[in-house]
Amino acid sequence: GDSVTQMEGPVTLSEEAFLTINCTYTATGYPSLFWYVQYPGEGLQLLLKATKADDKGSNKGFEATYRKETTSFHLEKGSVQVSDSAVYFCALKGSGGYQKVTFGTGTKLQVIP
Amino acid sequence: DGGITQSPKYLFRKEGQNVTLSCEQNLNHDAMYWYRQDPGQGLRLIYYSQIVNDFQKGDIAEGYSVSREKKESFPLTVTSAQKNPTAFYLCASSISGTAAGANVLTFGAGSRLTVL
Repeated sequence: GDSVTQMEGPVTLSEEAFLTINCTYTATGYPSLFWYVQYPGEGLQLLLKATKADDKGSNKGFEATYRKETTSFHLEKGSVQVSDSAVYFCALKGSGGYQKVTFGTGTKLQVIP
Repeated sequence: DGGITQSPKYLFRKEGQNVTLSCEQNLNHDAMYWYRQDPGQGLRLIYYSQIVNDFQKGDIAEGYSVSREKKESFPLTVTSAQKNPTAFYLCASSISGTAAGANVLTFGAGSRLTVL
């Protein structure tokens, strides 16, 4: 079945540092890929998405590129802020008919001033 | 503003009691979902519904029940049969079918259930 593997946290960075959170997936066909973010005590919010190979999703300075050859969707940001501290989830939804969304285990990011 | 409302935000339950978590959406979404979140385990799907009066079991449905009598409402009952119910529960919704945005989930703020 479908699966998502993302790097374990927590990840601790200083403000303005470069962020990479790795995400790889296993799925048949051409899934859609997502990054969701969860701030403390809240539900998840969509951060960005990509629906086909080589698509780049971007939002709020975050980017991720759908790499089918490496089955990856790594999240990057050039300069993190304290307000980016949250848990980040990589997710996929399979193609064709109804497919559930499969989530990774989440990566906690802490940005210190 | 459109969104998903979950209540209560915090709930305490004694062992052996059933509890019902409310989920209401005003997004006119056809599909609704319940997830359970435990530390280090990501989100696991409990039940989902693609249309009114129809729902299917997810990966961890044992000990839970749902109903979908109205498009905007998808309550979850945690029964006494659920062996380890203490968790954070998240409700979500989405557009159904192949329309743009059908893949995107909108989440509520969650309900934290603690069994005493």
